[in-house]
Amino acid sequence: DAGVIQSPRHEVTEMGQEVTLRCKPISGHDYLFWYRQTMMRGLELLIYFNNNVPIDDSGMPEDRFSAKMPNASFSTLKIQPSEPRDSAVYFCASSQTVNYGYTFGSGTRLTVV
Amino acid sequence: ILNVEQSPQSLHVQEGDSTNFTCSFPSSNFYALHWYRWETAKSPEALFVMTLNGDEKKKGRISATLNTKEGYSYLYIKGSQPEDSATYLCAFRKRKDSNYQLIWGAGTKLIIKP
Repeated sequence: DAGVIQSPRHEVTEMGQEVTLRCKPISGHDYLFWYRQTMMRGLELLIYFNNNVPIDDSGMPEDRFSAKMPNASFSTLKIQPSEPRDSAVYFCASSQTVNYGYTFGSGTRLTVV
Repeated sequence: ILNVEQSPQSLHVQEGDSTNFTCSFPSSNFYALHWYRWETAKSPEALFVMTLNGDEKKKGRISATLNTKEGYSYLYIKGSQPEDSATYLCAFRKRKDSNYQLIWGAGTKLIIKP
């Protein structure tokens, strides 16, 4: 398995533009998590899915953020409109069950100018 | 409020020396304790998932112990090597929490001096 695949690796966009981050979890993993890493807050959970269903989105900063998981092999995190304070590294992770560790993707480094 | 605390915040260790650091978590309603290694410019990598009091896990030169009654876990590295330089994160999951979330510590940054 190629692991958790995220794209793009780097994204530079102008303030106000829409940004879409993509994630392909490991096949057979029932849980998918979106995290944001910042200097101030460390790893911050944004939202997670179980069997493609969003379970907890309380970490999503505001309505500008949305996430979808249309099927077991794909998820997106969208920011519209983007702001400079959204600049961070966004990680996607998947897990087989509650008793297993997470496998993280390589992350997407987002810069909003 | 659940607090997961790691100490020390950072640690410099001479190559070849052994070291250890601590993760403290709430002792009530324990379900699982995770350890991850996070190298600079990479993504976190799972080391161990521990669920039973008294658990000991080992992976090469790295091992971990778990005390759920007093709410702590130790991570040990034997004979530190430069490639061990990373931030080590622990994360706690509460028992019977149908909302599957990990509460993360802030990490211990380990720097191995050659």
